[in-house]
Amino acid sequence: DAGVIQSPRHEVTEMGQEVTLRCKPISGHNSLFWYRQTMMRGLELLIYFNNNVPIDDSGMPEDRFSAKMPNASFSTLKIQPSEPRDSAVYFCASREPGGQPQHFGDGTRLSIL
Amino acid sequence: AQRVTQPEKLLSVFKGAPVELKCNYSYSGSPELFWYVQYSRQRLQLLLRHISRESIKGFTADLNKGETSFHLKKPFAQEEDSAMYYCALSTSNYQLIWGAGTKLIIKP
Repeated sequence: DAGVIQSPRHEVTEMGQEVTLRCKPISGHNSLFWYRQTMMRGLELLIYFNNNVPIDDSGMPEDRFSAKMPNASFSTLKIQPSEPRDSAVYFCASREPGGQPQHFGDGTRLSIL
Repeated sequence: AQRVTQPEKLLSVFKGAPVELKCNYSYSGSPELFWYVQYSRQRLQLLLRHISRESIKGFTADLNKGETSFHLKKPFAQEEDSAMYYCALSTSNYQLIWGAGTKLIIKP
């Protein structure tokens, strides 16, 4: 298995632009997690899905952030409009039904100018 | 409250010296604990889980329920061990509670 696949690996854009991050979980995994990692705040859980349904989005910073999982093999995290403080590494992780561990993707390094 | 505490943000030791990365947890149920490692600009990778009771890359971690700890240890540090280490606790609904992480630097 190729593992969790995220795209793009790097994204640099100007503030105010829409940003879309993508994630393909490991086949057969039914839970998907979006994390944000910064030097100041460490690793933060933004949202997670179980069987394509959002279960807990309490970590989503504000309404500018949205996440979808239209099917078991694809999820997006969208920021609109983006701001410089959104600059971070965004990780996607997935896990198999009813157990650990979570498997992480390589992350998207996002820079908002 | 469910919580994972890694008291050291940064730990620096010399090559060949013993390493201990501290992790304490607060959880009312039966804990399942993990250590993840993140090498520079790479993904987080599972290093150890307490139920496996195995040694990976020379690292071990023992769950101490009395002290509510799951410290990560290695008797002789190597330069390639330099990385960020996260301790995590699995809850009853399989979510992970993460510690803040400890940056380990191995000096030559």
